Amino acid sequence: AQTVTQSQPEMSVQEAETVTLSCTYDTSESDYYLFWYKQPPSRQMILVIRQEAYKQQNATENRFSVNFQKAAKSFSLKISDSQLGDAAMYFCAYRSARTQFYFGTGTSLTVIP
Amino acid sequence: ETGVTQTPRHLVMGMTNKKSLKCEQHLGHNAMYWYKQSAKKPLELMFVYNFKEQTENNSVPSRFSPECPNSSHLFLHLHTLQPEDSALYLCASSSWTPNTGELFFGEGSRLTVL
Repeated sequence: AQTVTQSQPEMSVQEAETVTLSCTYDTSESDYYLFWYKQPPSRQMILVIRQEAYKQQNATENRFSVNFQKAAKSFSLKISDSQLGDAAMYFCAYRSARTQFYFGTGTSLTVIP
Repeated sequence: ETGVTQTPRHLVMGMTNKKSLKCEQHLGHNAMYWYKQSAKKPLELMFVYNFKEQTENNSVPSRFSPECPNSSHLFLHLHTLQPEDSALYLCASSSWTPNTGELFFGEGSRLTVL
Protein backbone atom coordinates (compact mmCIF):
# COMPACT_ATOMS: atom_id res chain seq x y z
CA ALA A 1 0.00 0.00 0.00
CA GLN A 2 1.06 3.53 -0.62
CA THR A 3 2.34 5.49 2.36
CA VAL A 4 3.24 9.13 2.74
CA THR A 5 5.66 10.20 5.45
CA GLN A 6 6.24 13.68 6.77
CA SER A 7 9.02 13.43 9.33
CA GLN A 8 8.81 17.01 10.60
CA PRO A 9 5.78 17.49 12.86
CA GLU A 10 6.71 21.13 13.44
CA MET A 11 8.86 23.68 11.66
CA SER A 12 9.49 27.36 12.14
CA VAL A 13 10.91 30.05 9.89
CA GLN A 14 11.71 33.72 10.21
CA GLU A 15 9.61 36.03 8.12
CA ALA A 16 11.21 36.61 4.69
CA GLU A 17 13.41 33.53 5.04
CA THR A 18 13.19 30.23 3.20
CA VAL A 19 11.99 26.93 4.65
CA THR A 20 11.81 23.41 3.22
CA LEU A 21 9.25 20.84 4.29
CA SER A 22 10.07 17.19 3.69
CA CYS A 23 7.92 14.40 2.33
CA THR A 24 8.71 10.87 1.28
CA TYR A 25 6.35 8.28 -0.14
CA ASP A 26 6.31 4.65 -1.00
CA THR A 27 4.75 3.26 -4.15
CA SER A 28 5.28 0.61 -6.78
CA GLU A 29 3.50 2.62 -9.45
CA SER A 30 5.28 4.68 -12.07
CA ASP A 31 2.51 7.11 -12.93
CA TYR A 32 1.12 9.18 -10.07
CA TYR A 33 0.58 12.68 -8.75
CA LEU A 34 1.89 14.46 -5.71
CA PHE A 35 0.36 17.40 -3.93
CA TRP A 36 1.04 19.83 -1.12
CA TYR A 37 -2.02 21.11 0.70
CA LYS A 38 -2.15 23.97 3.19
CA GLN A 39 -4.60 24.12 6.10
CA PRO A 40 -4.56 27.45 7.98
CA PRO A 41 -5.98 27.43 11.52
CA SER A 42 -9.75 26.94 11.42
CA ARG A 43 -9.81 27.40 7.67
CA GLN A 44 -10.26 25.08 4.77
CA MET A 45 -7.53 23.04 3.20
CA ILE A 46 -6.35 24.39 -0.12
CA LEU A 47 -4.00 23.13 -2.78
CA VAL A 48 -0.59 24.77 -2.83
CA ILE A 49 1.14 22.91 -5.62
CA ARG A 50 0.99 19.67 -7.57
CA GLN A 51 3.51 17.58 -9.47
CA GLU A 52 2.93 14.93 -12.10
CA ALA A 53 5.43 12.09 -11.74
CA TYR A 54 6.03 11.89 -15.48
CA LYS A 55 7.29 15.48 -15.54
CA GLN A 56 10.96 15.92 -14.82
CA GLN A 57 10.67 19.65 -14.25
CA ASN A 58 9.90 20.68 -10.70
CA ALA A 59 6.63 22.53 -10.25
CA THR A 60 6.65 26.16 -9.15
CA GLU A 61 3.85 28.43 -7.98
CA ASN A 62 5.08 31.91 -7.11
CA ARG A 63 7.00 31.56 -3.81
CA PHE A 64 6.31 27.83 -3.59
CA SER A 65 8.41 25.24 -5.37
CA VAL A 66 9.05 21.55 -5.05
CA ASN A 67 12.09 19.33 -5.25
CA PHE A 68 10.83 16.12 -6.78
CA GLN A 69 13.26 13.22 -6.66
CA LYS A 70 11.43 10.29 -8.25
CA ALA A 71 14.10 7.68 -7.69
CA ALA A 72 14.42 8.64 -4.05
CA LYS A 73 10.61 8.98 -3.71
CA SER A 74 11.05 12.37 -2.18
CA PHE A 75 8.85 15.43 -2.65
CA SER A 76 9.86 18.46 -0.59
CA LEU A 77 8.21 21.86 -0.56
CA LYS A 78 10.27 25.04 -0.48
CA ILE A 79 8.66 28.27 0.63
CA SER A 80 10.67 31.35 -0.24
CA ASP A 81 10.29 34.81 1.30
CA SER A 82 8.05 33.38 4.03
CA GLN A 83 5.08 35.49 5.06
CA LEU A 84 2.94 35.48 8.18
CA GLY A 85 0.07 34.12 6.12
CA ASP A 86 2.08 31.02 5.34
CA ALA A 87 1.61 29.79 8.91
CA ALA A 88 -0.48 26.62 8.64
CA MET A 89 -0.47 22.84 8.62
CA TYR A 90 1.01 21.50 5.41
CA PHE A 91 0.04 18.09 4.14
CA CYS A 92 1.80 16.08 1.49
CA ALA A 93 -0.46 13.82 -0.55
CA TYR A 94 -0.13 11.12 -3.17
CA ARG A 95 -2.60 9.94 -5.75
CA SER A 96 -2.47 7.69 -8.77
CA ALA A 97 -5.04 7.05 -11.47
CA ARG A 98 -5.94 3.82 -9.70
CA THR A 99 -5.96 4.95 -6.09
CA GLN A 100 -7.47 7.54 -3.85
CA PHE A 101 -5.47 10.17 -2.04
CA TYR A 102 -3.00 9.19 0.65
CA PHE A 103 -2.02 11.95 3.05
CA GLY A 104 0.88 12.41 5.42
CA THR A 105 0.48 13.40 9.06
CA GLY A 106 1.25 17.03 8.34
CA THR A 107 3.86 19.61 9.29
CA SER A 108 2.87 22.59 11.39
CA LEU A 109 4.68 25.68 10.12
CA THR A 110 5.17 28.71 12.36
CA VAL A 111 6.31 31.99 10.84
CA ILE A 112 8.21 34.22 13.27
CA PRO A 113 7.86 37.97 12.72
CA GLU B 1 -21.31 30.60 -3.24
CA THR B 2 -17.92 29.16 -2.29
CA GLY B 3 -16.80 25.85 -3.74
CA VAL B 4 -17.55 23.34 -0.97
CA THR B 5 -19.77 24.24 1.95
CA GLN B 6 -20.19 22.19 5.11
CA THR B 7 -22.76 22.59 7.85
CA PRO B 8 -22.77 22.72 10.77
CA ARG B 9 -19.26 23.98 11.46
CA HIS B 10 -19.44 22.76 15.06
CA LEU B 11 -21.51 20.01 16.59
CA VAL B 12 -21.68 18.64 20.11
CA MET B 13 -23.68 15.51 20.65
CA GLY B 14 -24.25 12.86 23.22
CA MET B 15 -23.61 9.21 22.57
CA THR B 16 -27.31 8.48 22.08
CA ASN B 17 -28.09 11.39 19.75
CA LYS B 18 -28.74 11.28 16.03
CA LYS B 19 -27.39 14.11 13.91
CA SER B 20 -26.31 14.73 10.33
CA LEU B 21 -23.50 16.59 8.64
CA LYS B 22 -24.20 18.23 5.31
CA CYS B 23 -21.91 19.03 2.42
CA GLU B 24 -22.70 20.89 -0.79
CA GLN B 25 -20.41 21.57 -3.72
CA HIS B 26 -20.89 24.17 -6.45
CA LEU B 27 -17.98 23.14 -8.65
CA GLY B 28 -19.72 20.78 -11.02
CA HIS B 29 -17.70 17.83 -9.73
CA ASN B 30 -18.97 14.29 -9.87
CA ALA B 31 -17.04 12.77 -6.97
CA MET B 32 -17.53 13.58 -3.30
CA TYR B 33 -15.67 12.36 -0.23
CA TRP B 34 -15.84 12.21 3.54
CA TYR B 35 -12.57 12.35 5.46
CA LYS B 36 -11.91 12.17 9.19
CA GLN B 37 -9.12 14.35 10.53
CA SER B 38 -7.69 13.59 13.96
CA ALA B 39 -4.66 15.22 15.54
CA LYS B 40 -1.29 13.74 14.58
CA LYS B 41 -2.85 11.20 12.22
CA PRO B 42 -3.12 11.17 8.43
CA LEU B 43 -6.47 12.09 6.99
CA GLU B 44 -8.63 9.00 6.99
CA LEU B 45 -10.76 8.42 3.92
CA MET B 46 -14.21 7.26 4.98
CA PHE B 47 -16.44 7.22 1.93
CA VAL B 48 -16.26 8.04 -1.75
CA TYR B 49 -19.18 8.70 -4.06
CA ASN B 50 -18.82 8.88 -7.81
CA PHE B 51 -21.86 10.01 -9.77
CA LYS B 52 -23.99 9.36 -6.65
CA GLU B 53 -22.78 5.78 -6.35
CA GLN B 54 -20.69 4.75 -3.38
CA THR B 55 -17.39 3.45 -4.68
CA GLU B 56 -15.43 3.17 -1.47
CA ASN B 57 -16.15 2.43 2.16
CA ASN B 58 -12.99 2.15 4.21
CA SER B 59 -14.30 -0.20 6.90
CA VAL B 60 -16.16 2.60 8.57
CA PRO B 61 -18.36 1.59 11.53
CA SER B 62 -22.05 1.43 10.77
CA ARG B 63 -22.76 4.26 13.20
CA PHE B 64 -21.64 6.47 10.31
CA SER B 65 -24.10 6.35 7.43
CA PRO B 66 -23.46 8.35 4.24
CA GLU B 67 -26.06 9.54 1.80
CA CYS B 68 -25.52 11.11 -1.61
CA PRO B 69 -28.84 12.14 -3.21
CA ASN B 70 -27.14 13.86 -6.15
CA SER B 71 -23.67 14.86 -7.31
CA SER B 72 -23.83 18.17 -5.46
CA HIS B 73 -24.90 17.03 -2.00
CA LEU B 74 -23.44 14.64 0.51
CA PHE B 75 -24.59 13.80 4.01
CA LEU B 76 -23.08 11.92 6.89
CA HIS B 77 -25.67 10.61 9.31
CA LEU B 78 -24.40 10.01 12.82
CA HIS B 79 -25.94 7.83 15.53
CA THR B 80 -24.78 6.25 18.79
CA LEU B 81 -21.29 7.67 18.36
CA GLN B 82 -18.38 7.08 20.69
CA PRO B 83 -16.09 9.71 22.26
CA GLU B 84 -13.27 8.55 19.99
CA ASP B 85 -15.34 9.70 17.03
CA SER B 86 -14.67 13.29 18.05
CA ALA B 87 -12.72 14.82 15.18
CA LEU B 88 -12.87 17.24 12.28
CA TYR B 89 -14.91 15.78 9.43
CA LEU B 90 -13.93 17.09 6.05
CA CYS B 91 -15.96 16.93 2.89
CA ALA B 92 -14.22 17.19 -0.46
CA SER B 93 -15.09 17.01 -4.12
CA SER B 94 -13.16 16.37 -7.29
CA SER B 95 -13.49 15.69 -10.96
CA TRP B 96 -13.57 11.92 -11.48
CA THR B 97 -12.55 11.97 -15.12
CA PRO B 98 -9.65 12.03 -15.40
CA ASN B 99 -9.08 10.45 -12.01
CA THR B 100 -6.19 12.68 -11.17
CA GLY B 101 -8.05 15.77 -10.18
CA GLU B 102 -7.18 17.61 -7.03
CA LEU B 103 -9.47 17.60 -4.05
CA PHE B 104 -11.40 20.69 -3.10
CA PHE B 105 -12.21 20.74 0.60
CA GLY B 106 -14.86 22.32 2.73
CA GLU B 107 -14.00 24.03 6.01
CA GLY B 108 -14.97 20.98 8.01
CA SER B 109 -17.42 20.10 10.75
CA ARG B 110 -15.87 19.89 14.21
CA LEU B 111 -17.62 17.07 16.04
CA THR B 112 -17.44 16.55 19.78
CA VAL B 113 -19.02 13.44 21.26
CA LEU B 114 -19.68 13.61 24.99
